Amino acid sequence: KQEVTQIPAALSVPEGENLVLNCSFTDSAIYNLQWFRQDPGKGLTSLLLIQSSQREQTSGRLNASLDKSSGRSTLYIAASQPGDSATYLCAVRGNYGQNFVFGPGTRLSVLP
Amino acid sequence: DGGITQSPKYLFRKEGQNVTLSCEQNLNHDAMYWYRQDPGQGLRLIYYSQIVNDFQKGDIAEGYSVSREKKESFPLTVTSAQKNPTAFYLCASSMRGNREHHNEQFFGPGTRLTVL
Repeated sequence: KQEVTQIPAALSVPEGENLVLNCSFTDSAIYNLQWFRQDPGKGLTSLLLIQSSQREQTSGRLNASLDKSSGRSTLYIAASQPGDSATYLCAVRGNYGQNFVFGPGTRLSVLP
Repeated sequence: DGGITQSPKYLFRKEGQNVTLSCEQNLNHDAMYWYRQDPGQGLRLIYYSQIVNDFQKGDIAEGYSVSREKKESFPLTVTSAQKNPTAFYLCASSMRGNREHHNEQFFGPGTRLTVL
């Protein structure tokens, strides 16, 4: 059964710092991996979707990488801003099912 | 605007009462999903539907029921059999198929259910 973990559970950084969020999964037979952002009391906003054949995806200041063999994905945020403060979740979809398995999230605080 | 709407935003339920959460999408997506989110935990799948008039149980379906009579709508009923229903409920949808960005999930704003 696929398990997804995210470390650290919480992270606090000063504004302007570059940072990396980690996502690990136990079964490398994945179809794709999706990163989301969630603000308190809100739904999830899709940030990036990486297909299993891809190594990375970029959108603005965000870059997500995927290493299937090691069961890891990282979300790189450049030049962090207070508006980036939120919980970031990763979710993995397996090759043999239609459903995503979610990690517990990393709560990010960017201090002005 | 295309998107997913959920209503109500807040819902209060008395013990022994059934309540229904609404989820509507105008993205023309085939697949729809219901998740439950509890503090400090990842999202857990309750039910999903890949096509109209068909749905499947997720990991925590006990005490919940759904219907999929229309492509746009996927309501979730929380029954009195659900012993701990207080949670944040999220609805999502996605396209089907094997093209890039098919299967990308999009989420609604959520419904917070509290049992009194």
